[in-house]
Amino acid sequence: ETGVTQTPRHLVMGMTNKKSLKCEQHLGHNAMYWYKQSAKKPLELMFVYNFKEQTENNSVPSRFSPECPNSSHLFLHLHTLQPEDSALYLCASSQETAGYGYTFGSGTRLTVV
Amino acid sequence: GESVGLHLPTLSVQEGDNSIINCAYSNSASDYFIWYKQESGKGPQFIIDIRSNMDKRQGQRVTVLLNKTVKHLSLQIAATQPGDSAVYFCAEINAGGTSYGKLTFGQGTILTVHP
Repeated sequence: ETGVTQTPRHLVMGMTNKKSLKCEQHLGHNAMYWYKQSAKKPLELMFVYNFKEQTENNSVPSRFSPECPNSSHLFLHLHTLQPEDSALYLCASSQETAGYGYTFGSGTRLTVV
Repeated sequence: GESVGLHLPTLSVQEGDNSIINCAYSNSASDYFIWYKQESGKGPQFIIDIRSNMDKRQGQRVTVLLNKTVKHLSLQIAATQPGDSAVYFCAEINAGGTSYGKLTFGQGTILTVHP
């Protein structure tokens, strides 16, 4: 375990479903991130939270809605997704957004059918 | 725009050989670089990092070299083992400007170690 825990590990959802991904870190970090990893593409930064405040939204469609209730927890709410949204969604945390100590979770493998 | 890229998408080596994975970056303002290893079904795992005020850093069986003149980064793995088989990513962080804190990843290199 890296100290960043993501649940569920696998998720299959229909295009009309609503689901949420959860991330929890026990490293005392102040910054948390969502990344999308698709086949044959570099990791894509989606959202950045620093001290619970969103500091970056990397032009992500509104069908992805992040929530950060505190510095240890991060959620990604999903609704009306498309098949092309199928990917590995990775959560990461770091000691502030300078990036030091950047640690990833194991990811949620999402399949949209 | 800024980018971090890898020269070789795949690398196959024999167990016991040394491996070298290369990475080129384009943003001369980047001041912190990280190498990650990603095994199948897992998230990227930190291997080693280096700051721009250094040109070499060693870990256990791994060495990272940074050449700022040509904006090149390499990861050397000594005595490569089958357990080293994975995808390796380099990443950069630009600590200033609008890219503050944004970790930019390269495409990745698939390392396969044959017994």
